[in-house]
Amino acid sequence: EAAVTQSPRNKVAVTGGKVTLSCNQTNNHNNMYWYRQDTGHGLRLIHYSYGAGSTEKGDIPDGYKASRPSQENFSLILELATPSQTSVYFCASGDTGGCNERLFFGHGTKLSVL
Amino acid sequence: QQKVQQSPESLTVSEGAMASLNCTFSDGTSDNFRWYRQHSGKGLEVLVSIFSDGEKEEGRFTAHLNRASLHVSLHIREPQPSDSAVYLCAINTGYQNFYFGKGTSLTVIP
Repeated sequence: EAAVTQSPRNKVAVTGGKVTLSCNQTNNHNNMYWYRQDTGHGLRLIHYSYGAGSTEKGDIPDGYKASRPSQENFSLILELATPSQTSVYFCASGDTGGCNERLFFGHGTKLSVL
Repeated sequence: QQKVQQSPESLTVSEGAMASLNCTFSDGTSDNFRWYRQHSGKGLEVLVSIFSDGEKEEGRFTAHLNRASLHVSLHIREPQPSDSAVYLCAINTGYQNFYFGKGTSLTVIP
C-alpha cells in the first residue's frame, strides 16, 4: 500500500513566522503535490514536483515555496506566514504521470496562523 | 480552467439505502474522472476511476460517466455508517492537471 507521511499533523504559527511542512513518500513516485483544502474551495494545487530537484507552481503558489531535495521528500515553505494561510494542507504522490495518474494522499497538516 | 461542481453539498441516507452523488464539469475533453473519499481528519482515498462513458464498478461503488452531459455520478450500494465521509470528485485533464470539486458530505444513519 502506498505510504505518504506528513509532519507535523498540527501546527500553530505566528504571523510573519516561517513554517515548513514536510512530506515523505515511500512509493518511489516521481510526482509529488501540495494542496490546501478550505471550506468553499475544495482542494487547490499550490506546488508540485516531477522529481528530485524540480518544483513547479500550481494554481495558487503566491506566499509559498517548495523544495524537493530527494525522491522521497517534498517540503512546503511559508517564509512569512499570514492568517490567510490557515488551512489544512495535503501532500500527495502520483504513480504514473499523465492522464492515468492516481494520487495517494497523506493525512493532512492542520495549520493555524495567529 | 476546468470547473467542477458537486451536488448535493450534504446527503443523509439510511443504512442499506442507495446513495447517489453528482458531479458536473465544464470541459468534456477531460481524460479521466475519479471519486475520492475523505473521512474526518484523514487523507483522501481513491474509490473508483472511470475513463470512458458508461459504468465502472468497484465493490459497492459504481461510477457513471456521460461526457456529452458533462456529468459523472457515484452510487453507493448498501451504504454503512462507516461510509459517512466527504466524497470528492476529481477530474484530470492531462499532466498534473487535477481539478477537485468541493465535496459532498454523506451521513449514513444506522
